[in-house]
Amino acid sequence: NAGVMQNPRHLVRRRGQEARLRCSPMKGHSHVYWYRQLPEEGLKFMVYLQKENIIDESGMPKERFSAEFPKEGPSILRIQQVVRGDSAAYFCASSPAQGTDTQYFGPGTRLTVL
Amino acid sequence: DAKTTQPPSMDCAEGRAANLPCNHSTISGNEYVYWYRQIHSQGPQYIIHGLKNNETNEMASLIITEDRKSSTLILPHATLRDTAVYYCIVRAPRRSGANNLFFGTGTRLTVIP
Repeated sequence: NAGVMQNPRHLVRRRGQEARLRCSPMKGHSHVYWYRQLPEEGLKFMVYLQKENIIDESGMPKERFSAEFPKEGPSILRIQQVVRGDSAAYFCASSPAQGTDTQYFGPGTRLTVL
Repeated sequence: DAKTTQPPSMDCAEGRAANLPCNHSTISGNEYVYWYRQIHSQGPQYIIHGLKNNETNEMASLIITEDRKSSTLILPHATLRDTAVYYCIVRAPRRSGANNLFFGTGTRLTVIP
């Protein structure tokens, strides 16, 4: 049973470019969460999505950041016009719709903005 | 979600039990205690969770005090691969509207050969 998959694992962008981070939840999971971890800090919640719906985006920066979880395919976290302060590890977690809502995390995408 | 308090760091000798404490004195009746760990540069790994009763799985045991204001994660035979930051998180069920996990600063456990 494959775990949460994220790609790319490492992403380098220049200031002003766009970054797209992908997350495939565990099989049978329909809830996805994105977290960001700045260097030497703890994880901070960004957004919670179900298929085709954003449920809670209270942790998302107001500008340049967006997320989606389409009916088919992975969840996408999109960062437009990246700045150096966006350099961080971005982790995705998933949980099942029924029963326990324990979140299981992927390996993360490390974004470096030059 | 209730806040938790953990010691910033702990050492444990290899092969011995590692006991990681967590205080959550403001925990509510429907909030669970979750433990995760993060090994350097990897994604957080779920360890165990519980509500009232003590819990045990293949990785660890979770002891929750009767008043639920504190808990202890026990790794029965620590190995070098258990060196990580351990996070104690208190969270209500998602059906109550609690959508995210709040990661504090955790306890940095170092297992010493």
